[in-house]
Amino acid sequence: DIQMTQSPSSLSASVGDGVTITCRASHTINNYLNWYQHKPGKAPKLLIYAASSFQSGVPSRFSGSGSGTDFTLTISSLQPEDFATYYCQQTYSVPFSFGQGTILEIE
Amino acid sequence: QVQLVQSGAELKKPGASVRVSCKTSGYTFGHYFVHWVRQAPGEGLEWMAWINPNTGGTNAAEKFQGRVTMTRDTSTSTAYMDLTSLRSGDTAIYYCARAESHQQLDFWGQGTLVTVTS
Repeated sequence: DIQMTQSPSSLSASVGDGVTITCRASHTINNYLNWYQHKPGKAPKLLIYAASSFQSGVPSRFSGSGSGTDFTLTISSLQPEDFATYYCQQTYSVPFSFGQGTILEIE
Repeated sequence: QVQLVQSGAELKKPGASVRVSCKTSGYTFGHYFVHWVRQAPGEGLEWMAWINPNTGGTNAAEKFQGRVTMTRDTSTSTAYMDLTSLRSGDTAIYYCARAESHQQLDFWGQGTLVTVTS
């Protein structure tokens, strides 16, 4: 099975800051890497797919990069609604594992 | 618009089984896989399985094999997930989600809370 490791596990930032979350796969997954935002009581929301492709309707301050085993999600100029938990997920091979999540909190 | 609407919360005893339904609308059911993902209290997201609604083919994480069954009813565009031999560790919110070409999960159900307690 492919293990997905996110860092950091939690992060404090202020509105207007830029932040980067990293995700590392235990084996190469080409670009089969997706990013989700998850808020309590709601379903997860797809932000980025195929490592760097924007999901329709997602604000342009979210961007993704990487290939192989190392990936990043960058949020430029944080907005109040961006404080949530973020997960990466590989869809290269079953089981389609998620990272452990990164909690983004208001500083 | 695309919608996935799940069945309501369930309270089960250890050893019992549960069925969660996921009724889809707004798109051609057979054209997109449906995945199941769960989140236990205080934990992260855990991928469980998928079903190909066109063929009925399924694939599940090894940890659930033998306990999970995915089926579908093409006449109602509904996917089902059955989980047997429930234990307290299966207490979680269960989500269904539609998968696009890269298997990215672009539309999700609202979640179904399954509580397993004696």
